[in-house]
Amino acid sequence: GNSVTQMEGPVTLSEEAFLTINCTYTATGYPSLFWYVQYPGEGLQLLLKATKADDKGSNKGFEATYRKETTSFHLEKGSVQVSDSAVYFCALTNTGGFKTIFGAGTRLFVKA
Amino acid sequence: KAGVTQTPRYLIKTRGQQVTLSCSPISGHRSVSWYQQTPGQGLQFLFEYFSETQRNKGNFPGRFSGRQFSNSRSEMNVSTLELGDSALYLCASSLNTGEETQYFGPGTRLLVL
Repeated sequence: GNSVTQMEGPVTLSEEAFLTINCTYTATGYPSLFWYVQYPGEGLQLLLKATKADDKGSNKGFEATYRKETTSFHLEKGSVQVSDSAVYFCALTNTGGFKTIFGAGTRLFVKA
Repeated sequence: KAGVTQTPRYLIKTRGQQVTLSCSPISGHRSVSWYQQTPGQGLQFLFEYFSETQRNKGNFPGRFSGRQFSNSRSEMNVSTLELGDSALYLCASSLNTGEETQYFGPGTRLLVL
C-alpha cells in the first residue's frame, strides 16, 4: 500500500541555518507529492507540490525535488527564520486519488 | 476568495454524547474530505464527499458518518463519543473529486471528557 515516511523531530535550528527534512514514499503508479505546513493552532497549508519525476516544487524559499529513483521528496530551505517554526507534513496522492496519505509530521523549532 | 471554514472551532463533550461538525468549502469547490488528527495516530483520512455522495472512506467505525448538501457544505457526525475521539478534525476542499490539491480549514478541536 501507499505510505510516507519522514524524519522524526523535533528539529531545532538557529536562525539562518540550512534546513533539510527527509521524506521517502512507497506508492504504486505515479503519485503527486506535497509538503504541507501547520502553524500552531491552525489547519494545514499547502507549501509546495510536484506532480511528476524530476519536478521541483518551490515556495517561500522552500524547495523539494521529486526523485523517483530514490522515492524521495526532501524539503530544503537555505536560511530558516523564526517564523518557519511549525510542523511540516510530507504527503502523497495517487493519480485520481481521493485520499491523501500523510507522513507523521516533523516539528521544526527555529531559535533567534 | 474566502477559505475553508469550520464550525465550531472548539467543542467539549462527554462520553456517550454525539457531535456534529460543519465545513464550508471554498466557493466553487465541490469535493470535501475529512481527516482526524491526533498526536498518536497523526493525520488519518475519514471520508470524502462529492456531489452529495460519499466517494471514499477510511478505516473508521460506523459511529463516524457524514453528509454533503447541495451547496457543497458538509457535516460530519460522531455518535456515542469515546475518550479516544478527542482530536483535531480537519476539513479539506478541492475543485473536483480526484483533484490532487486540497485546501484545509483551521479544524475543530474536540475534547471528550
